[in-house]
Amino acid sequence: DQQVKQNSPSLSVQEGRISILNCDYTNSMFDYFLWYKKYPAEGPTFLISISSIKDKNEDGRFTVFLNKSAKHLSLHIVPSQPGDSAVYFCAAILLNTPLVFGKGTRLSVIA
Amino acid sequence: DSGVTQTPKHLITATGQRVTLRCSPRSGDLSVYWYQQSLDQGLQFLIQYYNGEERAKGNILERFSAQQFPDLHSELNLSSLELGDSALYFCASSVGGSRQNYGYTFGSGTRLTVV
Repeated sequence: DQQVKQNSPSLSVQEGRISILNCDYTNSMFDYFLWYKKYPAEGPTFLISISSIKDKNEDGRFTVFLNKSAKHLSLHIVPSQPGDSAVYFCAAILLNTPLVFGKGTRLSVIA
Repeated sequence: DSGVTQTPKHLITATGQRVTLRCSPRSGDLSVYWYQQSLDQGLQFLIQYYNGEERAKGNILERFSAQQFPDLHSELNLSSLELGDSALYFCASSVGGSRQNYGYTFGSGTRLTVV
């Protein structure tokens, strides 16, 4: 039972364009959401997060949007750069329980 | 270097064997989490320890066990290994055991191959 779903296993985007990675969740009690980025042979690293009381959080080229009614969040990367090529994991947290992760989306930014 | 150290980086072993994966958390972090990433699967939570005590348990098989020692390093023991146990095993650490710190710092993982 996947509580956090990333339905697109992969995404290819031209350098300089916008990358949009999507994530859906089923548990309406989740109150904090995070995005992690993973390069090959490395562990995931924290990228950006958003509280359930907000609908947008921005950090440089990265913006996360949260639509609670749709139980949907998205990560926008503008402009996309070749160094952004990685696997992106969406994660959610409920109260004091450990992070629940999606399966990840592999982003390829083509120069 | 994230500050979380996992050893070994690679491990190849036969079915039926037992292995131990080791994790040293980032300095100052009290919580340790173990996650498994199998092919085409996301990061599946296995178990969490906070300051030596088990705090939460996820989809961890009975053949697997873990512990956190007084120096806060943790070990994940996998026994009676099966081919399906082949996966990347990640350890992560955080300052607290609860909401006070959402950010986990991950190690680079141990790739286990069971043949």
